[in-house]
Amino acid sequence: KAGVTQTPRYLIKTRGQQVTLSCSPISGHRSVSWYQQTPGQGLQFLFEYFSETQRNKGNFPGRFSGRQFSNSRSEMNVSTLELGDSALYLCASSPGPGTNQPQHFGDGTRLSIL
Amino acid sequence: DAKTTQPPSMDCAEGRAANLPCNHSTISGNEYVYWYRQIHSQGPQYIIHGLKNNETNEMASLIITEDRKSSTLILPHATLRDTAVYYCIVRIPIGGSSNTGKLIFGQGTTLQVKP
Repeated sequence: KAGVTQTPRYLIKTRGQQVTLSCSPISGHRSVSWYQQTPGQGLQFLFEYFSETQRNKGNFPGRFSGRQFSNSRSEMNVSTLELGDSALYLCASSPGPGTNQPQHFGDGTRLSIL
Repeated sequence: DAKTTQPPSMDCAEGRAANLPCNHSTISGNEYVYWYRQIHSQGPQYIIHGLKNNETNEMASLIITEDRKSSTLILPHATLRDTAVYYCIVRIPIGGSSNTGKLIFGQGTTLQVKP
Protein backbone atom coordinates (compact mmCIF):
# COMPACT_ATOMS: atom_id res chain seq x y z
CA LYS A 1 0.00 0.00 0.00
CA ALA A 2 1.47 3.34 -1.03
CA GLY A 3 2.38 5.76 1.73
CA VAL A 4 1.64 9.45 2.07
CA THR A 5 2.89 11.32 -0.97
CA GLN A 6 3.91 14.95 -0.84
CA THR A 7 4.79 17.11 -3.80
CA PRO A 8 7.03 18.77 -4.60
CA ARG A 9 9.89 17.49 -2.43
CA TYR A 10 11.87 20.70 -2.71
CA LEU A 11 10.83 24.24 -3.49
CA ILE A 12 12.63 27.58 -3.61
CA LYS A 13 10.66 30.80 -3.45
CA THR A 14 11.37 34.45 -2.76
CA ARG A 15 9.86 36.73 -0.14
CA GLY A 16 6.38 37.95 -0.95
CA GLN A 17 5.49 35.06 -3.22
CA GLN A 18 2.89 32.44 -2.43
CA VAL A 19 3.20 28.66 -2.54
CA THR A 20 0.91 25.63 -2.69
CA LEU A 21 1.97 22.25 -1.36
CA SER A 22 0.16 19.01 -2.10
CA CYS A 23 -0.50 15.87 -0.07
CA SER A 24 -2.03 12.56 -1.16
CA PRO A 25 -2.98 10.43 1.85
CA ILE A 26 -2.76 6.68 2.16
CA SER A 27 -5.59 5.03 0.25
CA GLY A 28 -8.67 4.86 2.46
CA HIS A 29 -7.44 7.51 4.89
CA ARG A 30 -9.79 10.45 5.23
CA SER A 31 -8.03 12.63 7.77
CA VAL A 32 -5.05 14.78 6.81
CA SER A 33 -2.93 16.90 9.14
CA TRP A 34 -0.13 19.34 8.33
CA TYR A 35 2.95 20.19 10.38
CA GLN A 36 5.82 22.63 10.07
CA GLN A 37 9.31 21.61 11.19
CA THR A 38 12.09 24.11 11.78
CA PRO A 39 15.38 23.75 13.68
CA GLY A 40 14.32 26.36 16.21
CA GLN A 41 10.68 25.40 16.88
CA GLY A 42 10.70 21.70 16.07
CA LEU A 43 7.54 20.05 14.78
CA GLN A 44 4.46 22.23 15.10
CA PHE A 45 0.87 21.42 14.19
CA LEU A 46 -0.66 23.58 11.46
CA PHE A 47 -4.14 22.18 10.81
CA GLU A 48 -6.22 19.05 10.34
CA TYR A 49 -8.85 18.24 7.74
CA PHE A 50 -11.53 15.57 7.61
CA SER A 51 -14.36 15.29 5.10
CA GLU A 52 -13.25 18.52 3.44
CA THR A 53 -13.65 20.43 6.72
CA GLN A 54 -10.98 21.94 8.90
CA ARG A 55 -11.35 20.31 12.32
CA ASN A 56 -8.44 21.81 14.18
CA LYS A 57 -5.98 24.62 13.70
CA GLY A 58 -2.61 25.43 15.23
CA ASN A 59 -1.25 28.81 16.22
CA PHE A 60 -0.16 30.12 12.84
CA PRO A 61 -1.05 33.39 11.06
CA GLY A 62 -3.81 33.56 8.49
CA ARG A 63 -1.22 33.46 5.69
CA PHE A 64 -1.26 29.70 6.23
CA SER A 65 -4.34 28.01 4.84
CA GLY A 66 -5.38 24.64 3.57
CA ARG A 67 -8.14 22.66 2.03
CA GLN A 68 -9.17 19.10 1.43
CA PHE A 69 -10.83 17.66 -1.65
CA SER A 70 -13.54 15.03 -1.92
CA ASN A 71 -10.91 12.35 -2.68
CA SER A 72 -9.18 13.27 0.65
CA ARG A 73 -6.18 14.83 -1.06
CA SER A 74 -5.11 18.04 0.63
CA GLU A 75 -3.27 21.22 -0.23
CA MET A 76 -1.80 23.89 1.96
CA ASN A 77 -1.08 27.43 0.84
CA VAL A 78 1.23 30.03 2.27
CA SER A 79 0.83 33.58 0.99
CA THR A 80 3.19 36.53 1.25
CA LEU A 81 6.14 34.30 2.08
CA GLU A 82 8.61 35.39 4.75
CA LEU A 83 12.15 34.21 5.38
CA GLY A 84 10.93 32.50 8.55
CA ASP A 85 8.61 30.26 6.53
CA SER A 86 11.63 28.26 5.40
CA ALA A 87 10.91 24.83 6.81
CA LEU A 88 10.08 21.22 6.18
CA TYR A 89 6.31 20.92 5.74
CA LEU A 90 4.96 17.51 6.66
CA CYS A 91 1.63 15.93 5.93
CA ALA A 92 0.18 13.02 7.87
CA SER A 93 -2.88 10.89 7.22
CA SER A 94 -5.04 8.60 9.31
CA PRO A 95 -8.31 6.76 8.76
CA GLY A 96 -10.22 9.44 10.64
CA PRO A 97 -12.19 9.98 13.84
CA GLY A 98 -13.72 6.98 15.51
CA THR A 99 -10.57 4.87 15.28
CA ASN A 100 -7.39 4.90 17.28
CA GLN A 101 -5.15 4.31 14.30
CA PRO A 102 -1.94 6.36 14.24
CA GLN A 103 -1.06 9.08 11.77
CA HIS A 104 1.41 8.20 9.06
CA PHE A 105 3.68 10.88 7.68
CA GLY A 106 5.04 11.68 4.26
CA ASP A 107 8.65 12.74 3.76
CA GLY A 108 7.68 16.38 3.45
CA THR A 109 8.26 19.34 1.21
CA ARG A 110 11.36 21.36 1.99
CA LEU A 111 10.60 25.00 1.33
CA SER A 112 13.41 27.53 1.12
CA ILE A 113 12.72 31.26 1.01
CA LEU A 114 15.36 33.52 -0.49
CA ASP B 1 -2.46 17.20 25.91
CA ALA B 2 -0.07 16.06 28.59
CA LYS B 3 3.54 17.16 28.37
CA THR B 4 6.34 14.62 27.99
CA THR B 5 9.97 14.75 29.12
CA GLN B 6 12.71 12.83 27.37
CA PRO B 7 16.51 12.86 27.69
CA PRO B 8 18.02 14.87 24.83
CA SER B 9 20.41 12.15 23.73
CA MET B 10 21.42 8.55 24.30
CA ASP B 11 23.99 6.14 22.93
CA CYS B 12 23.56 2.43 22.35
CA ALA B 13 25.92 -0.27 21.11
CA GLU B 14 24.88 -2.06 17.95
CA GLY B 15 23.15 -5.34 18.73
CA ARG B 16 22.24 -4.33 22.27
CA ALA B 17 18.80 -3.31 23.48
CA ALA B 18 18.04 0.41 23.39
CA ASN B 19 15.79 1.58 26.24
CA LEU B 20 14.37 5.05 25.71
CA PRO B 21 12.56 6.56 28.72
CA CYS B 22 9.72 9.06 28.72
CA ASN B 23 8.07 10.84 31.64
CA HIS B 24 4.43 11.91 31.33
CA SER B 25 3.44 12.55 34.93
CA THR B 26 0.36 14.64 34.02
CA ILE B 27 -1.17 12.03 31.73
CA SER B 28 -4.94 11.58 31.97
CA GLY B 29 -6.74 8.28 32.16
CA ASN B 30 -7.84 8.25 28.54
CA GLU B 31 -4.63 9.55 26.96
CA TYR B 32 -2.52 7.23 24.87
CA VAL B 33 1.27 7.14 24.65
CA TYR B 34 2.61 7.19 21.08
CA TRP B 35 6.17 6.79 19.86
CA TYR B 36 7.51 8.05 16.57
CA ARG B 37 11.01 8.33 15.22
CA GLN B 38 12.52 10.58 12.60
CA ILE B 39 15.54 9.70 10.57
CA HIS B 40 17.33 12.64 9.01
CA SER B 41 15.53 14.14 6.00
CA GLN B 42 12.53 11.84 6.36
CA GLY B 43 9.10 12.25 7.88
CA PRO B 44 8.36 10.85 11.35
CA GLN B 45 7.76 7.10 11.35
CA TYR B 46 5.13 5.58 13.63
CA ILE B 47 6.56 2.93 15.96
CA ILE B 48 4.02 1.89 18.56
CA HIS B 49 1.32 3.16 20.92
CA GLY B 50 -0.47 2.01 24.06
CA LEU B 51 -2.86 3.00 26.84
CA LYS B 52 -2.00 0.98 29.94
CA ASN B 53 -0.91 -2.47 28.90
CA ASN B 54 2.52 -3.27 27.55
CA GLU B 55 2.59 -3.51 23.79
CA THR B 56 4.90 -5.25 21.32
CA ASN B 57 5.13 -5.21 17.56
CA GLU B 58 7.74 -6.07 14.96
CA MET B 59 9.65 -2.88 15.61
CA ALA B 60 9.66 -2.41 19.37
CA SER B 61 8.10 -2.95 22.78
CA LEU B 62 6.39 -0.33 24.90
CA ILE B 63 6.43 -0.68 28.65
CA ILE B 64 4.05 1.61 30.56
CA THR B 65 4.33 1.83 34.35
CA GLU B 66 1.33 0.89 36.43
CA ASP B 67 0.67 4.50 37.43
CA ARG B 68 1.10 5.46 33.74
CA LYS B 69 3.37 8.36 34.63
CA SER B 70 6.25 7.05 32.57
CA SER B 71 7.02 4.62 29.78
CA THR B 72 9.99 3.01 28.06
CA LEU B 73 10.42 2.22 24.41
CA ILE B 74 12.61 -0.83 23.87
CA LEU B 75 14.37 -1.62 20.61
CA PRO B 76 15.50 -5.19 21.35
CA HIS B 77 18.52 -5.38 19.00
CA ALA B 78 19.53 -1.92 17.87
CA THR B 79 21.15 -1.51 14.47
CA LEU B 80 22.89 1.46 12.90
CA ARG B 81 19.67 2.16 10.98
CA ASP B 82 17.91 2.82 14.28
CA THR B 83 19.93 6.02 14.72
CA ALA B 84 17.22 8.69 14.79
CA VAL B 85 15.32 11.18 16.92
CA TYR B 86 12.67 9.39 18.97
CA TYR B 87 9.53 11.25 20.04
CA CYS B 88 7.22 10.28 22.87
CA ILE B 89 3.76 11.84 22.52
CA VAL B 90 0.70 11.72 24.71
CA ARG B 91 -2.61 12.34 23.01
CA ILE B 92 -6.30 12.22 23.63
CA PRO B 93 -7.90 9.26 21.84
CA ILE B 94 -9.49 9.88 18.49
CA GLY B 95 -13.16 10.52 18.97
CA GLY B 96 -12.72 11.55 22.58
CA SER B 97 -12.05 15.19 21.86
CA SER B 98 -11.96 17.79 19.16
CA ASN B 99 -8.16 17.48 19.19
CA THR B 100 -8.29 14.35 17.11
CA GLY B 101 -5.42 14.89 14.71
CA LYS B 102 -3.11 17.11 16.65
CA LEU B 103 0.18 15.63 17.78
CA ILE B 104 2.31 17.77 20.06
CA PHE B 105 5.97 16.95 19.52
CA GLY B 106 8.65 17.74 22.08
CA GLN B 107 12.35 17.83 21.30
CA GLY B 108 12.68 14.04 21.47
CA THR B 109 15.70 11.86 22.22
CA THR B 110 18.49 11.58 19.69
CA LEU B 111 19.57 7.93 19.77
CA GLN B 112 23.00 7.23 18.37
CA VAL B 113 23.67 3.55 17.70
CA LYS B 114 27.40 2.89 17.59
CA PRO B 115 29.26 -0.05 16.01
